[in-house]
Amino acid sequence: DTAVSQTPKYLVTQMGNDKSIKCEQNLGHDTMYWYKQDSKKFLKIMFSYNNKELIINETVPNRFSPKSPDKAHLNLHINSLELGDSAVYFCASSRSAARTNTEAFFGQGTRLTVV
Amino acid sequence: GDSVTQMEGPVTLSEEAFLTINCTYTATGYPSLFWYVQYPGEGLQLLLKATKADDKGSNKGFEATYRKETTSFHLEKGSVQVSDSAVYFCALSDGQAGTALIFGKGTTLSVSS
Repeated sequence: DTAVSQTPKYLVTQMGNDKSIKCEQNLGHDTMYWYKQDSKKFLKIMFSYNNKELIINETVPNRFSPKSPDKAHLNLHINSLELGDSAVYFCASSRSAARTNTEAFFGQGTRLTVV
Repeated sequence: GDSVTQMEGPVTLSEEAFLTINCTYTATGYPSLFWYVQYPGEGLQLLLKATKADDKGSNKGFEATYRKETTSFHLEKGSVQVSDSAVYFCALSDGQAGTALIFGKGTTLSVSS
């Protein structure tokens, strides 16, 4: 049973296209995240939702739009893809953001390649 | 703001060698500290954690002690195996509402037989 699952695992697309990445968690967690991992493995938080409410919205181009239909799902839609968007995108979840000592559980990642 | 600094890699070791990956942090308050591991082509997995000063986290032969006086959380293993080859990330959580884990830049470990 996969705890945090993302689809697709690989995504190759042309510049200018619009694409979505889906994420689902079956852990009963309240909080979900999107992280971006660049080619040097650096991980940067993009967004965080707690009970479907956006609580973290880092400096990310507004071409990126998260959407949480319910607390078990957090999708990421990207408009007008650019070469620099190529990266691995990780979804993660954790218990309530207000709790301390809470580790995050990560999905397998989506490797996005923009050509 | 809060931050995590890890030693630069890559770290290359022979099997059964001793491993240390240094990690220091800057944070207000009393953060929780974590080590995550990322095997090739996979997501991040929690390796160990410590939630208060002097706590020692341990798992799979890896250990790290939360040192408040030196703001450090160094990862150690007495005898590495080829299967330990991966990228290791130190991270902190300040436990405040609306914050996410803050990661170091990651250290790539390569173990040869």
